[in-house]
Amino acid sequence: QSMLTQPPSASGTPGQRVTISCSGSSSNIGGSSVNWYQQFPGTAPKLLIYVDYQRPSGVPDRFSASKSGTSASLAISGLQSEDEAVYYCAAWDASLNGPVFGGGTKLTVL
Amino acid sequence: QVQLVQSGAEVKKPGASVKVSCTASGFILNSYYIQWLRQAPGQGLEWVGIINPIDGSTNYAQKFQGRITMTRDTSTDTVYTELSSLRSEDTAVYYCARVRRPGMAAFDVWGQGTMVTVSS
Repeated sequence: QSMLTQPPSASGTPGQRVTISCSGSSSNIGGSSVNWYQQFPGTAPKLLIYVDYQRPSGVPDRFSASKSGTSASLAISGLQSEDEAVYYCAAWDASLNGPVFGGGTKLTVL
Repeated sequence: QVQLVQSGAEVKKPGASVKVSCTASGFILNSYYIQWLRQAPGQGLEWVGIINPIDGSTNYAQKFQGRITMTRDTSTDTVYTELSSLRSEDTAVYYCARVRRPGMAAFDVWGQGTMVTVSS
């Protein structure tokens, strides 16, 4: 059972904007920064967003994120077929003294 | 090129141990902590533990306490994780990933993953 809660699936058509939510608690999202990962089948996750909303170099500005209280969200605008992947949120958890992840959201581009 | 390169796939019997390596290249290993995570087939990501390559200090996820040992070899910029008393539920892809410091969940470089299969 994941400590962060994400919807198992999301979908959109090319060009659309989609959002993926991530819900936690005061011991993780509420007290730490949120990070987002993108994972394609058979490959390692890739850091997409760090420290709530920062993008590593090379990540398109179509990807954005925000955090409020114990929840966070990832937004993808101008959806493209190559965005079809599984997206995970992650945050440090003070009670676990380790990182916790959401269960992942499989994004389908229709 | 900044990368973490992991050892190859392993097949083990229940009760055995497995040791996975993770070698850093293109960056100074001692400037980062190395996290180990795993992903069971079709499942999400699970934290295993963290090692500080400078002094070898570790912090393990509670569910692995007593079965996991993380070590490092500074001469080869390699960290290792060894899991003992393997059971079928340990079948997963094991990843190493670097992070600037503990208390962060921003892992910017990942190894390619090592598939560990536990089967009789």
